[in-house]
Amino acid sequence: EDQVTQSPEALRLQEGESSSLNCSYTVSGLRGLFWYRQDPGKGPEFLFTLYSAGEEKEKERLKATLTKKESFLHITAPKPEDSATYLCAVQAGGNTGGFKTIFGAGTRLFVKA
Amino acid sequence: EPEVTQTPSHQVTQMGQEVILRCVPISNHLYFYWYRQILGQKVEFLVSFYNNEISEKSEIFDDQFSVERPDGSNFTLKIRSTKLEDSAMYFCASSVVPNQPQHFGDGTRLSIL
Repeated sequence: EDQVTQSPEALRLQEGESSSLNCSYTVSGLRGLFWYRQDPGKGPEFLFTLYSAGEEKEKERLKATLTKKESFLHITAPKPEDSATYLCAVQAGGNTGGFKTIFGAGTRLFVKA
Repeated sequence: EPEVTQTPSHQVTQMGQEVILRCVPISNHLYFYWYRQILGQKVEFLVSFYNNEISEKSEIFDDQFSVERPDGSNFTLKIRSTKLEDSAMYFCASSVVPNQPQHFGDGTRLSIL
């Protein structure tokens, strides 16, 4: 069964304290892995797309990496405004020839000043 | 920056009533999606739509659900006879092609009484 698991469920950091979020997946026919940020009451906001093992993407304090079984979102020197839920989503082939997107449960990040 | 817009932001409906949720995807996007997020749970894929057809749907998307692109700009999700368990946040998303990033609206909160 296709599955996406994120850890930890919640992470509390001090401002400037770097850390990593994990997304492990088991899907057949990976088409892409996506990272999103979700603020309360809002829709997911796109951060990164990764397509193949070894790929890395960077944006400001965030860096995403991908292996064959998992992805990491590294946060360097976080600020309070980085507090949000970070979602990992995997796109795979569907049952009727299309594509389906499977989301993990997310990691709630709290950054304290 | 272009964005996906959803209306209404909050819909309250009596159980058994029909409800239509509306979305205006980004104008040059070709693929459209609906997701739902029950409070405190994962974002769940419902359906993807391309070229006026459903290209993939999940087990959740049963005969009570339907989607339509009634004109060149709107994309709708209809629930025929709502149940209490349909209470959730419903997100619309769109993308240029399937394995490119999906851009999400801010959702419609559906409350079934």
